[in-house]
Amino acid sequence: NAGVTQTPKFRILKIGQSMTLQCTQDMNHNYMYWYRQDPGMGLKLIYYSVGAGITDKGEVPNGYNVSRSTTEDFPLRLELAAPSQTSVYFCASSYQGSYGYTFGSGTRLTVV
Amino acid sequence: QQQVKQSPQSLIVQKGGIPIINCAYENTAFDYFPWYQQFPGKGPALLIAIRPDVSEKKEGRFTISFNKSAKQFSLHIMDSQPGDSATYFCAASREDYGGSQGNLIFGKGTKLSVKP
Repeated sequence: NAGVTQTPKFRILKIGQSMTLQCTQDMNHNYMYWYRQDPGMGLKLIYYSVGAGITDKGEVPNGYNVSRSTTEDFPLRLELAAPSQTSVYFCASSYQGSYGYTFGSGTRLTVV
Repeated sequence: QQQVKQSPQSLIVQKGGIPIINCAYENTAFDYFPWYQQFPGKGPALLIAIRPDVSEKKEGRFTISFNKSAKQFSLHIMDSQPGDSATYFCAASREDYGGSQGNLIFGKGTKLSVKP
């Protein structure tokens, strides 16, 4: 099994540009999450989903949007990129609730 | 009340030493306390987890100690090896709840370096 697959691995955006970070899981997990990781700040939850068609905000949702049209996919949309969105983004999934998150390998985004 | 405070921020030990990483939480409703290990360029991976009905859990060289009354838990790595060099995150949640209450709250991480 591939687990959680994130694309792209690296991206440089100019201020004001938009992009979508892709996340796909093949474990039939109901729960999916987007985190951002900044040095010394740990993992901050951006958005999460408890199933197809259901999404909700996490701790730091401003500047981001998500959708969950299928169980497998949970893309993260950045509109009007800002330097403050420079970070490493991780997608994760779990079968139910908080037990045993499986993380992707991350997308390193730089906004210049 | 949703925070998980982790210390130290970084830690350097010699091979064979026993690094200890500490975490404290405030929400007494939390009932699931995992530790995640992250190598450079990789996503975090579940290492070991404990629930509050036990005070200690061991898996190989990794041990979690849990103090419910103090609302603290810690990770000990016995006979540490250079291959254990990674960033370690503690976390907490209400495991049986879906939605926001069930989401993991992560500490800020500890970067561990084990010198040969």
